[in-house]
Amino acid sequence: EDKVVQSPLSLVVHEGDTVTLNCSYEVTNFRSLLWYKQEKKAPTFLFMLTSSGIEKKSGRLSSILDKKELFSILNITATQTGDSAVYLCAFNAGNNRKLIWGLGTSLAVNP
Amino acid sequence: DTEVTQTPKHLVMGMTNKKSLKCEQHMGHRAMYWYKQKAKKPPELMFVYSYEKLSINESVPSRFSPECPNSSLLNLHLHALQPEDSALYLCASSQDFTSGRKLPDTQYFGPGTRLTVL
Repeated sequence: EDKVVQSPLSLVVHEGDTVTLNCSYEVTNFRSLLWYKQEKKAPTFLFMLTSSGIEKKSGRLSSILDKKELFSILNITATQTGDSAVYLCAFNAGNNRKLIWGLGTSLAVNP
Repeated sequence: DTEVTQTPKHLVMGMTNKKSLKCEQHMGHRAMYWYKQKAKKPPELMFVYSYEKLSINESVPSRFSPECPNSSLLNLHLHALQPEDSALYLCASSQDFTSGRKLPDTQYFGPGTRLTVL
C-alpha cells in the first residue's frame, strides 16, 4: 500500500532558526512529490520534485528529493513568524491525478 | 495566474437543506477536483473531473453530487447532509493530460468553503 510519512509531526522554533522537515514514502509508481504550505485555508503549492538530487529553491525555502532512499526534505532558513503553518507532503501516484498525502508537519515560529 | 476561486467562504445548513458549492478557475486547466478536509487531517479526495467528465468518485455518499458545467466551473450539490459532513471543502485544478502522456501534474487549490451542518 502506498504511504507517505512526515516527521516531525510538530515543531516549535524561534525566529531566525533553520528547520528541516522530512517526508519519506513508499510507492509503487512514483511520478512526483509535492510540498504544500497550509495556513488557515487552502494548501499553497511550494515545490514539485521529480528527479533525485536536484534542489528546488524559492527564497528561504528549498527542497530536494532522494529517490534511492525514498525521502524528501524541505528546508526553511531564517524562519519568520509568517512561516507558521502546516507543511504537507504528497506524492502523485500512477494515475497522475490522485495525491497520496502525509499527515503534515505543524510548524510554529515564535518571535 | 494560479487562482482558483470558491464560493461561498462559509456555509451553515440544516440537514434538510439543499445548497451548492461553486468553484471556478481560468487557468485553462482540464482537471478539477473536490476534496474534503477535517481538522488536523490532510485533504481527502472526493471527485475528479477530467475534460468535464467524472473520472474518479472515491465512493462518496450520494448526498454529495458533483457537476462540471464547463471546463472552468465545478459545482458540488449538497442535500440531506449529516453533522459529520461538516468540514472544509476544497476545490483544486490541474492541467491534466490525455491518456498516454506521463508528465506529472500540479494541483492548485482554492481557499475552500467552511461548511457547518446543524
